[in-house]
Amino acid sequence: SQTIHQWPATLVQPVGSPLSLECTVEGTSNPNLYWYRQAAGRGLQLLFYSVGIGQISSEVPQNLSASRPQDRQFILSSKKLLLSDSGFYLCASYSGQGDEQFFGPGTRLTVL
Amino acid sequence: GENVEQHPSTLSVQEGDSAVIKCTYSDSASNYFPWYKQELGKRPQLIIDIRSNVGEKKDQRIAVTLNKTAKHFSLHITETQPEDSAVYFCAASNFFQKLVFGTGTRLLVSP
Repeated sequence: SQTIHQWPATLVQPVGSPLSLECTVEGTSNPNLYWYRQAAGRGLQLLFYSVGIGQISSEVPQNLSASRPQDRQFILSSKKLLLSDSGFYLCASYSGQGDEQFFGPGTRLTVL
Repeated sequence: GENVEQHPSTLSVQEGDSAVIKCTYSDSASNYFPWYKQELGKRPQLIIDIRSNVGEKKDQRIAVTLNKTAKHFSLHITETQPEDSAVYFCAASNFFQKLVFGTGTRLLVSP
C-alpha cells in the first residue's frame, strides 16, 4: 500500500518569507498527486493536482505554486507568504487502483 | 464546478444512538463519493465510499446511501460509540479523482 511522507510537520514563518513544503510517495508509480489546504475548523480545499511529472493544474488563484520534479515528489511553494496562507497542508495520492485517495500526515503552517 | 453541501455542522448524540450526516452535490457527472473521518490534528481517514452505480453500501456499523436523481448521499452510523467522535467529511469527484469536500460535521458521542 502507499505511504506518503510530508515535511516539515510544523512550520512557523513570518509574513513575506518564502515557503517550500515537500511530499514524497512510496509504494506506487505514476500516481495522481494533490495538495489540499485546511484552514482552522474548516473543510479541505483542493489547491493543485498533478497527473504526471511537470504537469500541474491549479484549482484556485492564490499566492502559492506547485511543482512535480519527479514521479513521486510534489512540492508546494510560495515566494512571499501571507497571513491567509496559514493552515494545515495535506498532500494526497491516488494510484488509479481502486478508488481510495490516501492522505499524508500534513504540515501545519502558521504565518505570523 | 462541483459544489458539495454538508449538514449538520455539529451533531451530538448519546452512546448507542444512530447518527446521520447528509450531503448534496451539484455536478451530475460526479461518480465517486467517499466519507472521511478526521480526528483532531490528524489526517483524514477514509471510512466508507460509494460509486454512482450503487445505491447503498454497508460496512459493520457504517452505511452510505446515494440518490443520484436527487444528487444527495448520506452517512449512517449505528450504535455510536465515544470513539466515533470526530469531524466527518463527505466528498464528491468525477474526473482525475479531484475531491470536492463538504464543510464537515463535528460528531460528539456522549457516554
